[in-house]
Amino acid sequence: GQQLNQSPQSMFIQEGEDVSMNCTSSSIFNTWLWYKQEPGEGPVLLIALYKAGELTSNGRLTAQFGITRKDSFLNISASIPSDVGIYFCAGLRGGATNKLIFGTGTLLAVQP
Amino acid sequence: GAVVSQHPSRVICKSGTSVKIECRSLDFQATTMFWYRQFPKKSLMLMATSNEGSKATYEQGVEKDKFLINHASLTLSTLTVTSAHPEDSSFYICSALREINQPQHFGDGTRLSIL
Repeated sequence: GQQLNQSPQSMFIQEGEDVSMNCTSSSIFNTWLWYKQEPGEGPVLLIALYKAGELTSNGRLTAQFGITRKDSFLNISASIPSDVGIYFCAGLRGGATNKLIFGTGTLLAVQP
Repeated sequence: GAVVSQHPSRVICKSGTSVKIECRSLDFQATTMFWYRQFPKKSLMLMATSNEGSKATYEQGVEKDKFLINHASLTLSTLTVTSAHPEDSSFYICSALREINQPQHFGDGTRLSIL
């Protein structure tokens, strides 16, 4: 099935560093979502974006809905060890099906 | 709010066994639930969309006779892996939708291991 292009594929950083990851698509989405998944668990919603250009924060996390509606980025400031996990973007086109298209994921490792 | 419970969290069974996985929305009614499969270090791949009171819609390449889905109530969907074989071993995750065009909320997944 279709997947969104997410980069980088993995990041290994020191505690306290800022992190940036992004997601791009060849087609338009009406909603962009960012999820975090820890080992052996399901994804947990971090941020939801509903309008082109929208910039939304959730604590140390900030995400933006690209103006073209074909991309989104997620920033994490002052990373801490519990930020470790896989981050997925997901796009929603809307309509009756409400299907999510997931990104390929970014693995984040934070060294104390 | 928006809690989704998935059970069991882990199953280990012999080849040929059928395995049922339950997905419940605990604090909301979900007209639509989704079932995903995830391979190690890979993203989530949608298997099927489950609507309460109607037949599930399967994604291309997913065998409906192998993966039986039942959405009997607004808070419960079940996935049954029939006559499971080692290649069916995977992490299965469900999600539930509270409202149309809103984010899906995910269960904690079921690790299925077929020996």
